[in-house]
Order: sequence, then structure tokens, then C-alpha cells
Amino acid sequence: SAVISQKPSRDICQRGTSLTIQCQVDSQVTMMFWYRQQPGQSLTLIATANQGSEATYESGFVIDKFPISRPNLTFSTLTVSNMSPEDSSIYLCSVNYAPGEFFGPGTRLTVL
Amino acid sequence: RKEVEQDPGPFNVPEGATVAFNCTYSNSASQSFFWYRQDCRKEPKLLMSVYSSGNEDGRFTAQLNRASQYISLLIRDSKLSDSATYLCVASNAGNMLTFGGGTRLMVKP
Repeated sequence: SAVISQKPSRDICQRGTSLTIQCQVDSQVTMMFWYRQQPGQSLTLIATANQGSEATYESGFVIDKFPISRPNLTFSTLTVSNMSPEDSSIYLCSVNYAPGEFFGPGTRLTVL
Repeated sequence: RKEVEQDPGPFNVPEGATVAFNCTYSNSASQSFFWYRQDCRKEPKLLMSVYSSGNEDGRFTAQLNRASQYISLLIRDSKLSDSATYLCVASNAGNMLTFGGGTRLMVKP
């Protein structure tokens, strides 16, 4: 399995501000994924972070709101822009590493 | 209709009981299937993959029925530590995961 870390682990932010979440993996991986888990809900894929190209966003998510960087094969960032209380959620990164997909510990975001 | 559907529970069972969770998926192109376990305020962790031939890992048995698009997880001899939310997951050819809403299990003494 892969060891994945995320920073920050939690944050409380004011509406209208932006927060950048970092995800670090202990080995090189081709694809990294960003998910959102809203309170009481399951996980929803936001986007796939590809190294060397633009991220691929799922329906309902756009680059202006959730810009993603993937500067190398072990690191990615997700920015939650112009936050509103509806963005309060847990944000998780993951990597596909046989036999399955492994998740970071998550970033718990509260927007006031 | 959700792509992956699960009974949200909660399933309240006594220690030592056998409990079964079911899951259905709507995308017939789904290729791989998994069960994940998520503890409160933690990230999901891979419990086991699910194969058509069925697979067993200790007290856990997973089954896949492609014709019915149905997945199951059986837990025998439940332990208190099995209390968690169990997520059914389908993966397409591009390794994109689709999560079910999760089934909550509470094992009581």
C-alpha cells in the first residue's frame, strides 16, 4: 500500500477565502484523485490530477472553483476557492495502488 | 437512481452474530468491485476486492453476481471492532471509483 499524507488536517475558514490542501505520497504514482465527503454522505470524485496535464473534472466540479496542481508524481494540491458554507466537507486525496485505491487521512474543512 | 446503492442501515447486531450487506450497481460496464471500511472521522480503508468466484478473508466473505449486478459482504462472528460504515465501490475501466452511500454496522456487547 501507499503512505499518503495531507495538510492541513483541518481548518476553519471565512467565506470568500480560499484554502489549498496538499497531498503527498511516499511513492511515484501516475494518477491521484481528489474526493469530497460531505457530512453524512459518501465520497464524490471531484477530479483526477494528472502529472504534466490539466486535471480532469467530474460533472458538477469546475477548475475555477477547485484548481488542482500536480507538479510531480508524488504531490498534488487542491484549492477550494471563494469558499461558502456549502463547501464545508472532508476533502480526501487518493492514489490507485494495487490491489485497490488508498486514501489520505482527509482534510476537514469548516467554512463559516 | 444512484449508480451504487446500499441499505444505509444501521445494522445493530450482537457480538458473534453473522451479518450480511448487499449492494447493487447500475453500470453494467463496471469492471472491478471493492468493499471499503470507514471508521468515524477516518478515511476509507480497503477491506477486500470482490471477485465473481467469491473471496474470503478470515471472517469476511465477498460475492459478486454480474448477471444481477449485485455484490454482498458477509461478516461472521461479529466483533465490537467491526463497528464501522461499509462502503460498496464499483470501478470502471479507467479505474474511476463510484461509491455507494455506505452501510452502517454497530456491533453491541
